Amino acid sequence: QKEVEQNSGPLSVPEGAIASLNCTYSDRGSQSFFWYRQYSGKSPELIMSIYSNGDKEDGRFTAQLNKASQYVSLLIRDSQPSDSATYLCAGSMDSNYQLIWGAGTKLIIKP
Amino acid sequence: SQTIHQWPATLVQPVGSPLSLECTVEGTSNPNLYWYRQAAGRGLQLLFYSVGIGQISSEVPQNLSASRPQDRQFILSSKKLLLSDSGFYLCASTSGTGRNKKIDEQFFGPGTRLTVL
Repeated sequence: QKEVEQNSGPLSVPEGAIASLNCTYSDRGSQSFFWYRQYSGKSPELIMSIYSNGDKEDGRFTAQLNKASQYVSLLIRDSQPSDSATYLCAGSMDSNYQLIWGAGTKLIIKP
Repeated sequence: SQTIHQWPATLVQPVGSPLSLECTVEGTSNPNLYWYRQAAGRGLQLLFYSVGIGQISSEVPQNLSASRPQDRQFILSSKKLLLSDSGFYLCASTSGTGRNKKIDEQFFGPGTRLTVL
C-alpha cells in the first residue's frame, strides 16, 4: 500500500517565524512531489512542485526532497497569518496517473 | 494557464435523487481529469480519473459514475444518492502540456459542496 503521511497538527507558529511542514512516503518509486495549500471551505491550490533531490525555493517557500530518506518538507519563512491553512503533500509515480495524498497538516500562524 | 469550472457551487439533494456534476477545463488540451471527494475535515479521496475521451478509471466501488464526452468535459453522476455521498467534490486537471502526463501537476476547480438529506 503506497502511503504519504503527514502529522495532522495543528502546528502553531508565531508570526514571522519559520514554519516547517513534513511528509514521509512509503513508495521508493515515487518521483515527484507537490505541496498544496487549502483554506477552509476552498479547493487546494498548488504552491510547490519538486522533482529531484535537494532544495527548491520560490519566494518565502522552500521545498526539500530527500529520496534516500523518503522525506519531503516545506519551509515557510516569515510566516504570516494568511499562511494559516491546511497543507497537503502529494506524491506521484511514473507508472500511473494518480497522486498519493497525505491527509494534510493544519498550520496556524499566531499574530 | 488553464481554468477549471465546476457547477453548481453548492447543492442540497434528498436521498435517492439523481446527481450530475459537471467540470469543464479551458486553456489546455488532452489533460488528465480527476474527480475527488473530500469529507468534512478529511483528506482527498480519488473517485475517478480519465486520460482521454471515453476513458474512465474507477478507484472506489460505489453508486457514482463518471463520463468524459469531450476532451475538456468531465461529468460525475449518480442515479440514487446516499447520505454518505455528502461531501466536497473536486475536479482536477493536469496541464496536458508536460513532458510526462503521469507526473504532471494537478490543478483544482472551485469544487461543489453536496449535502444529501
